[in-house]
Amino acid sequence: SQQGEEDPQALSIQEGENATMNCSYKTSINNLQWYRQNSGRGLVHLILIRSNEREKHSGRLRVTLDTSKKSSSLLITASRAADTASYFCATADNYGQNFVFGPGTRLSVLP
Amino acid sequence: NAGVTQTPKFQVLKTGQSMTLQCAQDMNHEYMSWYRQDPGMGLRLIHYSVGAGITDQGEVPNGYNVSRSTTEDFPLRLLSAAPSQTSVYFCASSSGLYNEQFFGPGTRLTVL
Repeated sequence: SQQGEEDPQALSIQEGENATMNCSYKTSINNLQWYRQNSGRGLVHLILIRSNEREKHSGRLRVTLDTSKKSSSLLITASRAADTASYFCATADNYGQNFVFGPGTRLSVLP
Repeated sequence: NAGVTQTPKFQVLKTGQSMTLQCAQDMNHEYMSWYRQDPGMGLRLIHYSVGAGITDQGEVPNGYNVSRSTTEDFPLRLLSAAPSQTSVYFCASSSGLYNEQFFGPGTRLTVL
């Protein structure tokens, strides 16, 4: 069963705009991670936020986590054409099980 | 460091054939896993390993076997390929169950 569900499924924006993607999950987690996948390539880790953290930054990325709502958001500021990719959230629970990935958000940044 | 490598990049099989997808990592990671990715879907876990000699099933293990004789290698075997196994397969490794995962470039498998 899917733990993480991203929203929206697809997002199209102009270069320079901000892009926000959301992720909801169902059970308690140890951490939540965001990954990027360029077309035809493997996934690349972007950022990890632990269950006791509320916000984390990495360059143009800002991730928030609300454990009471079981949701997270990924904000990409000042987007570039190179940000065009699919973005996945993945959750790791506290039971020694493994990451469960959501279906992803396809982001298109138009020049 | 090469990171996580996978071979082959592409493979076409006929129904009923068997094959092994290779995965190797040079980061001395204990944790390795295999995922499959189907169009419009996220990754689904097939099998994983928390160290040499230890493997366990993920969400979709049927039709696949794994073994982990060394820390570096984690091959995935398709016993009798079926069209439903047409997918892109990714291997990943991590220094710990809760840490970031490093992914290989993937193997695109088509079963006719």
